Amino acid sequence: EPEVTQTPSHQVTQMGQEVILRCVPISNHLYFYWYRQILGQKVEFLVSFYNNEISEKSEIFDDQFSVERPDGSNFTLKIRSTKLEDSAMYFCASSEGADYGYTFGSGTRLTVV
Amino acid sequence: ILNVEQSPQSLHVQEGDSTNFTCSFPSSNFYALHWYRWETAKSPEALFVMTLNGDEKKKGRISATLNTKEGYSYLYIKGSQPEDSATYLCAFQSKGTGFQKLVFGTGTRLLVSP
Repeated sequence: EPEVTQTPSHQVTQMGQEVILRCVPISNHLYFYWYRQILGQKVEFLVSFYNNEISEKSEIFDDQFSVERPDGSNFTLKIRSTKLEDSAMYFCASSEGADYGYTFGSGTRLTVV
Repeated sequence: ILNVEQSPQSLHVQEGDSTNFTCSFPSSNFYALHWYRWETAKSPEALFVMTLNGDEKKKGRISATLNTKEGYSYLYIKGSQPEDSATYLCAFQSKGTGFQKLVFGTGTRLLVSP
């Protein structure tokens, strides 16, 4: 069964450093997403991406965040200058359409120290 | 702010018991309600996407119902097995602005003992 793959599975970074989280969505999916879950809190939406551009973003997704689909297969989330409160599990997901179930990756646990 | 609530927060049942959980969501601007199963150390797995009021969907021993007018959905598991142990998440999808994002509940953590 096709999978969404995310790398790395764990990343520890110092506050103020840039991080790039990588995802390979399912190849025939059209919509791509990033979500995150801070420990003990709900899974929350960050951004959706369709037709090579951001289609929707949350208030969390400020100027420190950016997404890119550089080569037609990878989908990356960059955090320019990490803060302690960015520590969370970050999930990439993709779907065939906006009203289809999502396929999630297994997540990247980001720890900012 | 959209609020999606799930109850109970956690549930411990014996193998063979049937169980159900509730997801409450806004009754206005409804587009779809998603259910996911999330096993520890794995990725959330889509169970159902429900769009029509009164809809009932089934996958093996798991089924779900939807009431969009009153804003709730039930997930039922018949004859629970230890492998059903997971967190069950529901997520609300609204019409219009916010159409492409899911608003998740806190989840119901189910533990099935042999």
